Amino acid sequence: AQSVTQLGSHVSVSEGALVLLRCNYSSSVPPYLFWYVQYPNQGLQLLLKYTSAATLVKGINGFEAEFKKSETSFHLTKPSAHMSDAAEYFCAVSSSGGYQKVTFGTGTKLQVIP
Amino acid sequence: DTGVSQDPRHKITKRGQNVTFRCDPISEHNRLYWYRQTLGQGPEFLTYFQNEAQLEKSRLLSDRFSAERPKGSFSTLEIQRTEQGDSAMYLCASSLAVGLGDTEAFFGQGTRLTVV
Repeated sequence: AQSVTQLGSHVSVSEGALVLLRCNYSSSVPPYLFWYVQYPNQGLQLLLKYTSAATLVKGINGFEAEFKKSETSFHLTKPSAHMSDAAEYFCAVSSSGGYQKVTFGTGTKLQVIP
Repeated sequence: DTGVSQDPRHKITKRGQNVTFRCDPISEHNRLYWYRQTLGQGPEFLTYFQNEAQLEKSRLLSDRFSAERPKGSFSTLEIQRTEQGDSAMYLCASSLAVGLGDTEAFFGQGTRLTVV
């Protein structure tokens, strides 16, 4: 069984401030982990993916996430928030490399305050 | 290629009616996925195809749901006798199978279904 828990359904940050979106996972096998972003009325776009090659994963738009096995966490960070970062972010876990086994979290809506 | 296309973008239907959605994947992608996303939730896997073969179906996919990918290109998802609980965003994604895994899956913009 696998699952992800995203802490905080809504997060607000000031423009220029650190963005931290939290994700904890549960998996019975070494996981693949993903972060996706969804803008209103749009599909999901992959921000980054962990595949065990490196614990610190750099993604698009300045985002990165660190895999911490001891904490079963995969938090998403960005040093300085931009207004364009306002969107909903989904953490996801897969027990294989395939998307048929992907389980998504419930999402975190990020608000960026000018 | 402009990515994954879904049609229609929005559909309002009366309870009990049948609806059909279409997904056109990225042309060289051999895997195609359907997900359902309800308000306040993340996407949930419904089914997927590799080429024209439907390889897996979620338990979420009741008998009223059927999906096809007749020539291994576009796919259709049909819901018969719609219920209000079917109201959701239906997302399609495609990817290229590599060994046991995939390349990145690209998502369409979704079809938002409202059952009244």
